[in-house]
Amino acid sequence: EAQVTQNPRYLITVTGKKLTVTCSQNMNHEYMSWYRQDPGLGLRQIYYSMNVEVTDKGDVPEGYKVSRKEKRNFPLILESPSPNQTSLYFCASSWSSNQPQHFGDGTRLSIL
Amino acid sequence: GESVGLHLPTLSVQEGDNSIINCAYSNSASDYFIWYKQESGKGPQFIIDIRSNMDKRQGQRVTVLLNKTVKHLSLQIAATQPGDSAVYFCAEIFNTDKLIFGTGTRLQVFP
Repeated sequence: EAQVTQNPRYLITVTGKKLTVTCSQNMNHEYMSWYRQDPGLGLRQIYYSMNVEVTDKGDVPEGYKVSRKEKRNFPLILESPSPNQTSLYFCASSWSSNQPQHFGDGTRLSIL
Repeated sequence: GESVGLHLPTLSVQEGDNSIINCAYSNSASDYFIWYKQESGKGPQFIIDIRSNMDKRQGQRVTVLLNKTVKHLSLQIAATQPGDSAVYFCAEIFNTDKLIFGTGTRLQVFP
């Protein structure tokens, strides 16, 4: 089954404690992306990757890092999480940037 | 389930009626548009797309209309069903790699 898998689905942690949200897709897609979703603001792009070892900032990259060492994985790293990063996060993938994206089911992060 | 927005505009329709969800996009240079459906606790799911060289595209029970003059996009759902209840987002792509989502509309279907 074609899917985008995110882990964990839920996480409560404290300010400053580094965390990583993993994202894996099994469709051999080249394009992957991370979004955060906040009430009233919709989905905003954090980072995206056009292919292995190619990553670019989206609209809200501050406080986040990503890596793309292999095609299927695109982890999102919060080196020093802060409460304003409390949000619902989605990973997505597609064949290219101008094709419909497949989304994971989301990761709810709460930073205390 | 997850709440995707507490202050979303809401469209309430009766089961069997047609629904029209509207979206104003921001960039006149955008050349590709997508509608997504998001159910509670899930990620957005692709419904239908349209390129800027078209003004209408039809799928199964859904139609997307594009008016580039006023930068307006609409999603029409025929014979709305309870399973159509969700939040609907439009998204625009410009410069081939910038994807911008609208804030969404909640569709509620009542019997």
